[in-house]
Amino acid sequence: GQNIDQPTEMTATEGAIVQINCTYQTSGFNGLFWYQQHAGEAPTFLSYNVLDGLEEKGRFSSFLSRSKGYSYLLLKELQMKDSASYLCAVRDPTNAGKSTFGDGTTLTVKP
Amino acid sequence: EAQVTQNPRYLITVTGKKLTVTCSQNMNHEYMSWYRQDPGLGLRQIYYSMNVEVTDKGDVPEGYKVSRKEKRNFPLILESPSPNQTSLYFCASSGTPGGTQYFGPGTRLLVL
Repeated sequence: GQNIDQPTEMTATEGAIVQINCTYQTSGFNGLFWYQQHAGEAPTFLSYNVLDGLEEKGRFSSFLSRSKGYSYLLLKELQMKDSASYLCAVRDPTNAGKSTFGDGTTLTVKP
Repeated sequence: EAQVTQNPRYLITVTGKKLTVTCSQNMNHEYMSWYRQDPGLGLRQIYYSMNVEVTDKGDVPEGYKVSRKEKRNFPLILESPSPNQTSLYFCASSGTPGGTQYFGPGTRLLVL
């Protein structure tokens, strides 16, 4: 089975940097996704990691350590519009159709 | 425009009255899924489909049915809805095994 842990809530200040952590315990590994979800809206894709290391995409970066079962999403130069939930998800390595999501981290950006 | 559409967006119904939530994607994706999202429980997968006529249970399939007669459509059927199925439902599709999922706008269901 798959188990994913994320902090429930985080608060940060506009212009700052915030790191959202995700740990997973899975029977295998086939890649880790980060999605952003604004209140009342659908999740949208942010990043994908399958190999160890850092993937950078503009203000957002995602890091993966497969040996530690650990990932983080790094948001730089925070803007008010970054207030949202951030979902960590893994795909089942033996069944591409199955996905497990963490409960999400609600980030509040304050002025 | 590439998109996943769901209908209806909002639905209020009563216990036991059969309903169907439609899902359609125009990206020619093989993989489609249904999720429900509840406060504090995150997104939980109900059913998924790897291709036409190929469906399988996710983590919370009880009380739901699906069908995949065409590649673009993946309806979710609640034969006898109950109040514990009150939730926000999302349909999603992806073009590759284990690939990025594209989500529909969601259907908010209230079962009285």
